[in-house]
Amino acid sequence: QQQVKQSPQSLIVQKGGIPIINCAYENTAFDYFPWYQQFPGKGPALLIAIRPDVSEKKEGRFTISFNKSAKQFSLHIMDSQPGDSATYFCAASMDTGRRALTFGSGTRLQVQP
Amino acid sequence: EPEVTQTPSHQVTQMGQEVILRCVPISNHLYFYWYRQILGQKVEFLVSFYNNEISEKSEIFDDQFSVERPDGSNFTLKIRSTKLEDSAMYFCASGGRVEKLFFGSGTQLSVL
Repeated sequence: QQQVKQSPQSLIVQKGGIPIINCAYENTAFDYFPWYQQFPGKGPALLIAIRPDVSEKKEGRFTISFNKSAKQFSLHIMDSQPGDSATYFCAASMDTGRRALTFGSGTRLQVQP
Repeated sequence: EPEVTQTPSHQVTQMGQEVILRCVPISNHLYFYWYRQILGQKVEFLVSFYNNEISEKSEIFDDQFSVERPDGSNFTLKIRSTKLEDSAMYFCASGGRVEKLFFGSGTQLSVL
């Protein structure tokens, strides 16, 4: 029940494309859903996060879509660039993010020039 | 931007030895965490620390693990008797008044 399932495992897009990464959760007590970006040799860095009271949040080229009834959320990267090539993790937490983050398994994104 | 600092970046140890991983969280942060990532796998929660005590821990965080904030600036993770399966990248994270967590660059622990 604590799992967060993420897909796809890897993704290759052309520059300017819109990669979409999907996550699904079971635990309805989760109330904070962040996305993290990780470059090789670095720790995860928060990209964007959403609470279940909104269905969409946009920050720059990154958009989270949230479907509470389906218990799914997804990350869209608009106008993707080679510099966006990284591993992306979705996560979920309770108590507005103070509690332990449960991470998805990660998506390795490659944006080709 | 302020950052979480972890030392050492790499640690090699023999099975059964004790290791201490060190972290300097961001100075005005109140919440501290350790996570780990086994090569190629997802990031896993170990423990959270708030107000000088453990606030939450996972089933991974057994009696071989301990955390300490010895001097108000450092935050350490001790593994008393390392096992081969403890080999992983260990990340420290800290958080302030808002929910955003900042992760360090990690310590790669190799147990031989």
